[in-house]
Amino acid sequence: AQSVAQPEDQVNVAEGNPLTVKCTYSVSGNPYLFWYVQYPNRGLQFLLKYITGDNLVKGSYGFEAEFNKSQTSFHLKKPSALVSDSALYFCAVPLNNNAGNMLTFGGGTRLMVKP
Amino acid sequence: KAGVTQTPRYLIKTRGQQVTLSCSPISGHRSVSWYQQTPGQGLQFLFEYFSETQRNKGNFPGRFSGRQFSNSRSEMNVSTLELGDSALYLCASSSGEASGNTIYFGEGSWLTVV
Repeated sequence: AQSVAQPEDQVNVAEGNPLTVKCTYSVSGNPYLFWYVQYPNRGLQFLLKYITGDNLVKGSYGFEAEFNKSQTSFHLKKPSALVSDSALYFCAVPLNNNAGNMLTFGGGTRLMVKP
Repeated sequence: KAGVTQTPRYLIKTRGQQVTLSCSPISGHRSVSWYQQTPGQGLQFLFEYFSETQRNKGNFPGRFSGRQFSNSRSEMNVSTLELGDSALYLCASSSGEASGNTIYFGEGSWLTVV
């Protein structure tokens, strides 16, 4: 079964410092990987996805993610954190490789950016 | 282009009652899926509809059901509500034609069962 794991429940970073939110995956076949962000009392917002091609994927709000096949990781990064980046971040992968709107999510990582 | 719209945003129901939640997908999207989010279980897939047919189903009891209309709008229904059904219910839409399609979520419907 396809799955993702987020090993950190919370990440703390100072404003202006680089941030990394970790995600590892377990899939059969070609991986399709997604990152979403959830602000308090809101739905999920799409940040970026990896389908194929360049290992560095650029997304919304200055975020990027690095796909690493040998380490089966897809870590989310940003060069300079903002207080407004504080939110809950989810990594996700399709439940299977068939066409379908079905994702399985990691447990989420709460990012706290302190001024 | 309007995003995924869910109604109502907040509702409170009593144990044993039933509830219907509504979702309007992004224009042109034929796939609509539903997810339940709780602090304990995280985000879990409920079911997916594509062109008015249930295409995929998660591991939830039969009290949870849904349907999709010809205009791609979708509803989900939960019957005989239990306290544990209190959750954020998220609707998501995509074109649904390939596994890597971007999936867009609505703001969710907060259900509290008392």
